[in-house]
Amino acid sequence: GAVVSQHPSRVICKSGTSVKIECRSLDFQATTMFWYRQFPKKSLMLMATSNEGSKATYEQGVEKDKFLINHASLTLSTLTVTSAHPEDSSFYICSATKGLAGSYEQYFGPGTRLTVT
Amino acid sequence: GQNIDQPTEMTATEGAIVQINCTYQTSGFNGLFWYQQHAGEAPTFLSYNVLDGLEEKGRFSSFLSRSKGYSYLLLKELQMKDSASYLCAVKDSNYQLIWGAGTKLIIKP
Repeated sequence: GAVVSQHPSRVICKSGTSVKIECRSLDFQATTMFWYRQFPKKSLMLMATSNEGSKATYEQGVEKDKFLINHASLTLSTLTVTSAHPEDSSFYICSATKGLAGSYEQYFGPGTRLTVT
Repeated sequence: GQNIDQPTEMTATEGAIVQINCTYQTSGFNGLFWYQQHAGEAPTFLSYNVLDGLEEKGRFSSFLSRSKGYSYLLLKELQMKDSASYLCAVKDSNYQLIWGAGTKLIIKP
């Protein structure tokens, strides 16, 4: 199997606070993890690619100081939204591949719905 | 630039067949994926094509023509639970996934 979990599934936070989202591969080692955000009725937008033990590669336009990504182990990556604002409210989804980024299938977590009030 | 086009929305009848098209222009090609996404949920993998031709998997089939930059997802014997968005994604020469905006499929009884 290839199961990816995310925690929390939903979170509401106040503007100015920080929120951490965890992404775990439960039954495989994920060399590469990806973080996406998705606005209502829109497609997935890749935020960053994370390889275990190295710094994440951020997509153009994504603030790395605002969206902190840590991939400390082969089964865990975290995304921290710092100093959250209402415009950060979105559906955040992580995915993982079993090998390098060239591996053909990404396994998605169930997503985290972030609401910033 | 890189671009993936698919219809925004389609409607079909329960029990019928529907074909969702996807055209792409990318820098290189290392495979095309179809994912299903129900509202409020993460995408789930449906199919992967890297060579030309048809891949059949139960009620779902996916076709690829690399020379035409074209793929389609064919859904047979539609069920109400097939109502979802269907995302086409292409892996480019850097093995980065380029996502289409998705096609919302509405199934009517």
